[in-house]
Amino acid sequence: DTAVSQTPKYLVTQMGNDKSIKCEQNLGHDTMYWYKQDSKKFLKIMFSYNNKELIINETVPNRFSPKSPDKAHLNLHINSLELGDSAVYFCASSQGGGLAVKETQYFGPGTRLLVL
Amino acid sequence: QKEVEQDPGPLSVPEGAIVSLNCTYSNSAFQYFMWYRQYSRKGPELLMYTYSSGNKEDGRFTAQVDKSSKYISLFIRDSQPSDSATYLCAMSAGYQKVTFGTGTKLQVIP
Repeated sequence: DTAVSQTPKYLVTQMGNDKSIKCEQNLGHDTMYWYKQDSKKFLKIMFSYNNKELIINETVPNRFSPKSPDKAHLNLHINSLELGDSAVYFCASSQGGGLAVKETQYFGPGTRLLVL
Repeated sequence: QKEVEQDPGPLSVPEGAIVSLNCTYSNSAFQYFMWYRQYSRKGPELLMYTYSSGNKEDGRFTAQVDKSSKYISLFIRDSQPSDSATYLCAMSAGYQKVTFGTGTKLQVIP
């Protein structure tokens, strides 16, 4: 069983379109994240949800809107896609709780987004 | 200055070599330190985690944290071609926010 899964794995779309990426974790974790990894491999946090509540919201354009229907799912909707949105988007989850082992994050396989 | 600095490499070593990967950081609130390995076209996977200063060993891997110098290292002994990947250091002050380094790409040549 895949611990953290994302769909789709690849997404090619035109500028201006709206798209969604879905994420699910079956680890029973309380916290889920979205990261963006650019072409230089820099991994930057975008959002974090704990038990369906937004707890981290980094400086991200409001075209990006996360939605957490339950604590096992965190989806990312992107409006009016731009060329600069092309990147790999990773979902991750962690147990949380302030101990080293609980801070560790488990990543999904990534969604490769290409905006043309 | 970035919170976490990591030499991007690439680092190319012969099989069997000892590899040293390093990160420096500026935020003294960081207390959890992690190393992730990322194979090409895959998500990062946790290799090791440590809390506070000191060494931690797991097989061929040793993680070292020096909080006084704000410096962490990952050593790989007897490196194998299967170790070829990008290695990301990561740090957290807690509260679920983890800051990653930019990653060091390692190639182990048979």
